[in-house]
Amino acid sequence: AQTVTQSQPEMSVQEAETVTLSCTYDTSESDYYLFWYKQPPSRQMILVIRQEAYKQQNATENRFSVNFQKAAKSFSLKISDSQLGDAAMYFCAYRLGNTGKLIFGQGTTLQVKP
Amino acid sequence: DAGVIQSPRHEVTEMGQEVTLRCKPISGHDYLFWYRQTMMRGLELLIYFNNNVPIDDSGMPEDRFSAKMPNASFSTLKIQPSEPRDSAVYFCASSLSLRETGAGTDTQYFGPGTRLTVL
Repeated sequence: AQTVTQSQPEMSVQEAETVTLSCTYDTSESDYYLFWYKQPPSRQMILVIRQEAYKQQNATENRFSVNFQKAAKSFSLKISDSQLGDAAMYFCAYRLGNTGKLIFGQGTTLQVKP
Repeated sequence: DAGVIQSPRHEVTEMGQEVTLRCKPISGHDYLFWYRQTMMRGLELLIYFNNNVPIDDSGMPEDRFSAKMPNASFSTLKIQPSEPRDSAVYFCASSLSLRETGAGTDTQYFGPGTRLTVL
């Protein structure tokens, strides 16, 4: 069975600094997708970034980028130039290519200090 | 588009009562998902539909839970009878497809959630 693990329950970063959130997953499949979702206090789940397993190039979205290490089954999220609005819970998620089921990690709460 | 719409936003009920949660997906999306979020179990998929047909209901906890999608623009999740352990935030999400064929085609867009409290 596929599993997703986020080993950092809480992280903090100074405004304008860079922070990296960790995620590892376990799968024997080759066709899958990985995602980072943000959940602010409003509890709305918002997609931050996604990565197809077959792509070697790491995905980037403005200040957000990932470090996808397929052999190590690692998918970390880097947030550059952190802003107060980045404070939220961040979830790493896995989805097998031909299914709709997202499997989420436990989440990491990110605090941004002014 | 208004995004995924869920109602009610908050529901408080007593044990044994029937609860119905509602969802309107984004127009044109072929996939609809129901997730549940609790402190103990985190976020977990309950069921999802493709073109109104249930595809995977393996996450539905037990017979007290049922979900329907009578048409492309409406779905319900019903709990009967409700129990205190059903207290959670229930999310509905929708996506255009399961494959990335263009910008965001496989992205699951989530609604604001329904916070259910069963006393």
